[in-house]
Amino acid sequence: DADVTQTPRNRITKTGKRIMLECSQTKGHDRMYWYRQDPGLGLRLIYYSFDVKDINKGEISDGYSVSRQAQAKFSLSLESAIPNQTALYFCATKQPNTGELFFGEGSRLTVL
Amino acid sequence: DQQVKQNSPSLSVQEGRISILNCDYTNSMFDYFLWYKKYPAEGPTFLISISSIKDKNEDGRFTVFLNKSAKHLSLHIVPSQPGDSAVYFCAASDHNNAGNMLTFGGGTRLMVKP
Repeated sequence: DADVTQTPRNRITKTGKRIMLECSQTKGHDRMYWYRQDPGLGLRLIYYSFDVKDINKGEISDGYSVSRQAQAKFSLSLESAIPNQTALYFCATKQPNTGELFFGEGSRLTVL
Repeated sequence: DQQVKQNSPSLSVQEGRISILNCDYTNSMFDYFLWYKKYPAEGPTFLISISSIKDKNEDGRFTVFLNKSAKHLSLHIVPSQPGDSAVYFCAASDHNNAGNMLTFGGGTRLMVKP
């Protein structure tokens, strides 16, 4: 079983719809992250959380919200999806005291 | 403005030869650098890292070199193998930054031909 699990893996939706991407981890890490990957732009940080009570905006948080339901769960929501949110989304946890991130397998979202 | 740049979107190398992937950064506060490898339909996985107090770190076939004055790092893979074909991301962080977040480059797609 993967240490960081994302659902759904693939989703096609329409403009204006609400979408939630879910992430759960078994690594016991406090810090969790949501990134999106676009061709040529690498991975850009959307939101991050240091613990259940600590949520922070990343580089590109507009149009997104998050919820840290428990240490192991961190979900990303698009309240009203738009086509330029079509991307590959990754959840990650962070190893304490190092810079190493552990990524999920990704959620590919297409907004028509 | 991207603080971490990988100027080569793709690189093709013959099996057995050396692969050199380059990365440039602009933020002089970055003090820790990492390389991640990503296969299709999988998340990125950690490959190798280097602290700014070093100029070289080696792990088997993989070596990362850091040139702080030039704000440049490179990943050397020797000998290259077909299984190394993947997208490689360079990333950097500033340990003095409260968030200690990673900033990623745009990635380089490496193709190793048999």
